[in-house]
Amino acid sequence: DTGVSQNPRHKITKRGQNVTFRCDPISEHNRLYWYRQTLGQGPEFLTYFQNEAQLEKSRLLSDRFSAERPKGSFSTLEIQRTEQGDSAMYLCASSLGRTGGLGETQYFGPGTRLLVL
Amino acid sequence: DQQVKQNSPSLSVQEGRISILNCDYTNSMFDYFLWYKKYPAEGPTFLISISSIKDKNEDGRFTVFLNKSAKHLSLHIVPSQPGDSAVYFCAASALPQTGANNLFFGTGTRLTVIP
Repeated sequence: DTGVSQNPRHKITKRGQNVTFRCDPISEHNRLYWYRQTLGQGPEFLTYFQNEAQLEKSRLLSDRFSAERPKGSFSTLEIQRTEQGDSAMYLCASSLGRTGGLGETQYFGPGTRLLVL
Repeated sequence: DQQVKQNSPSLSVQEGRISILNCDYTNSMFDYFLWYKKYPAEGPTFLISISSIKDKNEDGRFTVFLNKSAKHLSLHIVPSQPGDSAVYFCAASALPQTGANNLFFGTGTRLTVIP
């Protein structure tokens, strides 16, 4: 399977604990995005990498959140001192950018569902 | 503020008939639109897209129509099949100024195709 993969698929943690999620993008894709989806809503943008550089962060990404993409391959998203409001599905997407004069199609992984108790 | 809106939370259609899912947007800078399909506990799966220079794009049973003046797009599925039952998200992006091409999503429409 050469799609986007995410681990773990599910995570239950207690408030105040740190959690880390991993995303492995499609191998030739240089762009990587993190989104968060809560119940009844569409995914919301969190942050973006082009290769290893984190180029944009949403205001949704508080100081407790940090993301990395060492060597421009896989990415990790860490949440420190989790809060109940962090409970959501965390989605990773990758793309090749805008090609052929068209827009950019992002391909999503299965997501990591986080529950903070 | 919600820049992409899907005002119908749910839609039920008989198998074999046409499903029409609608989406409205407010940002005139959006120039690329996508539809994703999502099953429970899975990530969104890309279905079909359209650039703002076109008004129609077709891929098999799926056709997306774009009306720029009305800031409206729709997804037509013909004929509808029970396997099409899922939540459908409309998404849009604008030519980026900073490099990020993040997508703005609607809240989704749950399609149920009745056998």
